[in-house]
Amino acid sequence: AQTVTQSQPEMSVQEAETVTLSCTYDTSENNYYLFWYKQPPSRQMILVIRQEAYKQQNATENRFSVNFQKAAKSFSLKISDSQLGDTAMYFCAFMKRDSWGKLQFGAGTQVVVTP
Amino acid sequence: ETGVTQSPTHLIKTRGQQVTLRCSSQSGHNTVSWYQQALGQGPQFIFQYYREEENGRGNFPPRFSGLQFPNYSSELNVNALELDDSALYLCASSLGLAMNTGELFFGEGSRLTVL
Repeated sequence: AQTVTQSQPEMSVQEAETVTLSCTYDTSENNYYLFWYKQPPSRQMILVIRQEAYKQQNATENRFSVNFQKAAKSFSLKISDSQLGDTAMYFCAFMKRDSWGKLQFGAGTQVVVTP
Repeated sequence: ETGVTQSPTHLIKTRGQQVTLRCSSQSGHNTVSWYQQALGQGPQFIFQYYREEENGRGNFPPRFSGLQFPNYSSELNVNALELDDSALYLCASSLGLAMNTGELFFGEGSRLTVL
């Protein structure tokens, strides 16, 4: 069984600054995907960024980037130039390659962006 | 393109009652997954439906059951409700297994309160 751990319940960051969210996971699988999902107060989960485990290059989506360390089983998310609209709950998630749609989520990190 | 819609948005039931939650998947998506998100926690996988067949189940008792219809909409049924069933129930749709990138498209959820 896989476990996903997010050790930071809440992070606060000022507008335009950078914040890094940590995520570690435990698995015996070699082929898998990792995700960061965002859940704003509206409750609708939105995919932020996705990483395939077989790719060594870290994924980047505009102001969002990850630091994927496969050996260490670590998958952190960096939010650069933080904006007020980034305020949300952020969930790290794991999915085995052959388990489409069956994600294992962490407990989440609440990010609060202040003016 | 129509996104994932869920109904009802909020509902209150008493212990022992039964509830049905509904989900319309995003246009073109034939896979629906259901998740339970308890307060302050990450979503937990309940089960998934692909082309009207159950395609995997998480660690939930049989009183949690589901259906998928020919138009790929889906229902989640919970019998003999317990207080611990109080949660946000999320529906997520995705492309069929062969084309799945692992990205899920979530609805805004149904908030169930069991008294």
